[in-house]
Amino acid sequence: DTGVSQDPRHKITKRGQNVTFRCDPISEHNRLYWYRQTLGQGPEFLTYFQNEAQLEKSRLLSDRFSAERPKGSFSTLEIQRTEQGDSAMYLCASSSSSRDSLYNEQFFGPGTRLTVL
Amino acid sequence: LAKTTQPISMDSYEGQEVNITCSHNNIATNDYITWYQQFPSQGPRFIIQGYKTKVTNEVASLFIPADRKSSTLSLPRVSLSDTAVYYCLVGDRGNQGGKLIFGQGTELSVKP
Repeated sequence: DTGVSQDPRHKITKRGQNVTFRCDPISEHNRLYWYRQTLGQGPEFLTYFQNEAQLEKSRLLSDRFSAERPKGSFSTLEIQRTEQGDSAMYLCASSSSSRDSLYNEQFFGPGTRLTVL
Repeated sequence: LAKTTQPISMDSYEGQEVNITCSHNNIATNDYITWYQQFPSQGPRFIIQGYKTKVTNEVASLFIPADRKSSTLSLPRVSLSDTAVYYCLVGDRGNQGGKLIFGQGTELSVKP
């Protein structure tokens, strides 16, 4: 399977704990995105990387959130001191920035559903 | 960023053609129109993209009038498996770094 994978698929944690999610993009894709989606809403952009460089962060990404893509391949999203409002689906997507790629065609993973108790 | 407006929900029956219209009055010259589909508990999936007139692929057709202030996603002969949320997005690849701005989407329910 050469699609985007995310791990874990589900995470239940207690308020105040730290959690880390992993995303493995499609191997030849140089761009990687993180989104957050709550029930009944469309995904909201959090941050994106081109190779290992984090090029943009949304205002939604508070200081408790940090994302890395150390070697330009997989990425991790860490949430420190989780709050109940962090409960959501965290989606990862990847794309190619090459000129031949369809504009705005991003390939999404299945998501990690976080529940903060 | 161009804002999009689409119906919150639509109902249809199997075998019917479904048309979902999206308004984007402030679309810019460089903006493309893209539609994504999302099934429950899955990430969104790219369906179709266009700039003007008509685009057709194996899944859907996209109709864009000359003024580009709206677009219509057409799903021919829907089946129960087409029940999903459909998102209309507009944006310019170069300025936005490819990030996607989703609205609330249209929840399509296909009944037998």
